[in-house]
Amino acid sequence: NAGVTQTPKFRILKIGQSMTLQCAQDMNHNYMYWYRQDPGMGLKLIYYSVGAGITDKGEVPNGYNVSRSTTEDFPLRLELAAPSQTSVYFCASRRAGGIPDASPLHFGNGTRLTVT
Amino acid sequence: AQKITQTQPGMFVQEKEAVTLDCTYDTSDPSYGLFWYKQPSSGEMIFLIYQGSYDQQNATEGRYSLNFQKARKSANLVISASQLGDSAMYFCAMREGLGGTSYGKLTFGQGTILTVHP
Repeated sequence: NAGVTQTPKFRILKIGQSMTLQCAQDMNHNYMYWYRQDPGMGLKLIYYSVGAGITDKGEVPNGYNVSRSTTEDFPLRLELAAPSQTSVYFCASRRAGGIPDASPLHFGNGTRLTVT
Repeated sequence: AQKITQTQPGMFVQEKEAVTLDCTYDTSDPSYGLFWYKQPSSGEMIFLIYQGSYDQQNATEGRYSLNFQKARKSANLVISASQLGDSAMYFCAMREGLGGTSYGKLTFGQGTILTVHP
């Protein structure tokens, strides 16, 4: 079981460049999420998706875009990279929850991004 | 206001001793869940334990247990018989709206770094 796979593992961008962080899951999970983790801090939600074709903003969406054309893939796009986007990015997924909704998030191993 | 507060930036414990990592939360939703995750130095996020607001008993998973005090809005993680491999960052997280309105989103605390000494 691969679980949640993120690529690349590391990336250095120059200010103003763009890139796409890839995320794929093979667990047939409907729900997917993108979080960022700044040094010494907790995770903050950027965007999430409840199924193919459906996405919504989280707590810190500015400077990012997402799409969800398939159940498996949830790429995160950075346009015009800024130093403030230097962070570790985590993709996560989970199965649809019952009631009560207790299913945990399954995380990828993260992408460490530096913008200089 | 912070929804999840972890007041201990760092904790130290001797191997084989027990340790408690604090977590307090703030919500007006009667239906919520608390999750704990472990993040070793390698960076991955590992789910440890879950406690629902309506659960009658404190959650346990092996050496991990949750000291859930609903009136005090605290959900402290207890690790018994600490091992060197327990050295990691630990995050408390909350999901509100367990009836399906949260879309599964988690709000995380800032984390506590645990160091286990031999």
